[in-house]
Formats: sequence, C-alpha cells, structure tokens
Amino acid sequence: GAVVSQHPSRVICKSGTSVKIECRSLDFQATTMFWYRQFPKQSLMLMATSNEGSKATYEQGVEKDKFLINHASLTLSTLTVTSAHPEDSSFYICSARRRQGGNTEAFFGQGTRLTVV
Amino acid sequence: RKEVEQDPGPFNVPEGATVAFNCTYSNSASQSFFWYRQDCRKEPKLLMSVYSSGNEDGRFTAQLNRASQYISLLIRDSKLSDSATYLCVVPRGGSQGNLIFGKGTKLSVKP
Repeated sequence: GAVVSQHPSRVICKSGTSVKIECRSLDFQATTMFWYRQFPKQSLMLMATSNEGSKATYEQGVEKDKFLINHASLTLSTLTVTSAHPEDSSFYICSARRRQGGNTEAFFGQGTRLTVV
Repeated sequence: RKEVEQDPGPFNVPEGATVAFNCTYSNSASQSFFWYRQDCRKEPKLLMSVYSSGNEDGRFTAQLNRASQYISLLIRDSKLSDSATYLCVVPRGGSQGNLIFGKGTKLSVKP
C-alpha cells in the first residue's frame, strides 16, 4: 500500500486563486519532506525541502512567497500555490524518506496535477 | 558536467531484447545511487539502489563505475510492461541529501 499519500490527485482552479496540496507519511514520521514539480516531458525538479517545525528551504528560482510550505507535524507537509497562474500548471509530487535498517528509501506521493485556467 | 545526465532516448526495442541505459554524475563524493521507474502521469517508484559496485535483481542489473562517475542499468529479456521512463537519481550532499533526478530515458518495448 501507499507509504506517502498526496491529496488531491487532480485540481483545476481559476487564475488568481490559491490551491493547497497535502502530503502525508502514512506509517512513519518524516522530519523532512521534499516537493518536486514536473512539467511535461521534463524531469522532476526539486522546489523545496520541507522541515518539520522550521522554515522550508527553497531551491534557487523558486518563490517562497508564492509556494508556501508548512510542515506542522511529523506526518504532514502542505504546499500552497498562491495566486496561481496558468504557467503554474504542472505535476507536483512530494516525497519523504524512510529509514529501514541501514538503508533509506524515498517514497513519493501519487502526485497532484494542477491546471490553472 | 551536469549533476545528473542520462541518455536522451527514447529507446524502442522488441520484446526479449536487452537494453542498457547510461547515467553520469558530477559529484565524485556521491556514495549512493538509485534507479527509479516512472510510468506516464504517475509518481516515480524505486527500481534499484546502488551502494557499491553494482546490484542485480532478476532481469535488472545496475553497475557503478566510480572512476568514470558512471552508472548503468541493464534490462534483459525486456517485457512489454517494462515500458516506462527510467530515472537516474543521485542524492546531493550525501545519502540523506536532496535527490537530484536525471531527465529520464523513455523505454518502449514493442511486441
């Protein structure tokens, strides 16, 4: 079953509105979660690292005031796309890493396909 | 050199063929590497981890060449269900660091 759950899977919103995407780790605690964006036929691009109890770390070129990240608990991180525009339409995926034994594996949410009209 | 670079693809192969994908990375200090598989409009899923010289799992073999900073993925006896995009992934700044994805190589296995 899913280890990381992301919701919603698909959302269509009007230009200028805000959209919140949730990412939950289901059976483990994640002090760090990652948010990626993927445009068609492109690779996953890391947007930001979400840190529980502290501010997120944003990659260069990602506007922190536009993409608000909140990681209020060890199992939930949210990404809010504020004042969305058509160019924000993309596939957003979250990830959390779970340590088991000596290895750490990254699990991904199911992704959210955002369409801004 | 880019952080992670892959064969551009696409690879179109018949069922039963053997196909190999290549990936180069720029950070010589990287210790662990991953191959992920991504189906169209789906999230990536871990296919193989590579921590030493290589790893083998059934029809899939991953090899690591640290001197050349090069990772490969070999798929033998390819199946129709192997059709997907294969992503080479390297953690930035150690095994707990952010995952940096290659652009992916698309594989289409035809009957």
